[in-house]
Amino acid sequence: DGGITQSPKYLFRKEGQNVTLSCEQNLNHDAMYWYRQDPGQGLRLIYYSQIVNDFQKGDIAEGYSVSREKKESFPLTVTSAQKNPTAFYLCASGRRYEQYFGPGTRLTVT
Amino acid sequence: RKEVEQDPGPFNVPEGATVAFNCTYSNSASQSFFWYRQDCRKEPKLLMSVYSSGNEDGRFTAQLNRASQYISLLIRDSKLSDSATYLCVVNLPASGGSYIPTFGRGTSLIVHP
Repeated sequence: DGGITQSPKYLFRKEGQNVTLSCEQNLNHDAMYWYRQDPGQGLRLIYYSQIVNDFQKGDIAEGYSVSREKKESFPLTVTSAQKNPTAFYLCASGRRYEQYFGPGTRLTVT
Repeated sequence: RKEVEQDPGPFNVPEGATVAFNCTYSNSASQSFFWYRQDCRKEPKLLMSVYSSGNEDGRFTAQLNRASQYISLLIRDSKLSDSATYLCVVNLPASGGSYIPTFGRGTSLIVHP
């Protein structure tokens, strides 16, 4: 089946630990995106990549890092430097500015 | 002023009603506009693209007004299943000639029997 997968669905971590969220797509899309959504809020762009081996910071990149070594994969690392990491993280891929989202990962850091 | 603004609602309407949402944007050079639907605790799903000429898909009509810098979504004959949050997306110009997608905070719609 074609689509975008994110794993895990729920993730719990202790403060001070880095954690990596997975995002894979088999839609052959060039562009991939990471967003964060907090309760009652819209989506805020963390990082985006329009082509393999290239990525740009979005509005709230501080405390996050990404890599884009393969077209299909765009993992996001939430580092210990991110002050408020608990959130719903959404990955998307797309072309011509249309985006298709994965099911998301709910990260809780205590 | 926020770059993309939506009335958060909620819009509370009876089944069968017609309801319309607007989304305003501040940068006149914006392009590529979309409406998404998001159910509670789920990912957003693409509803439709928005063009100046209008875009209709069944009970849904989307329109772009460049002069006044807003996009709209009209839902006719509302169903209970239309209850959701509707997010607009505007692609704002960024460095190097690229465009960055920016989401509004969403408008909540509740359709009641």
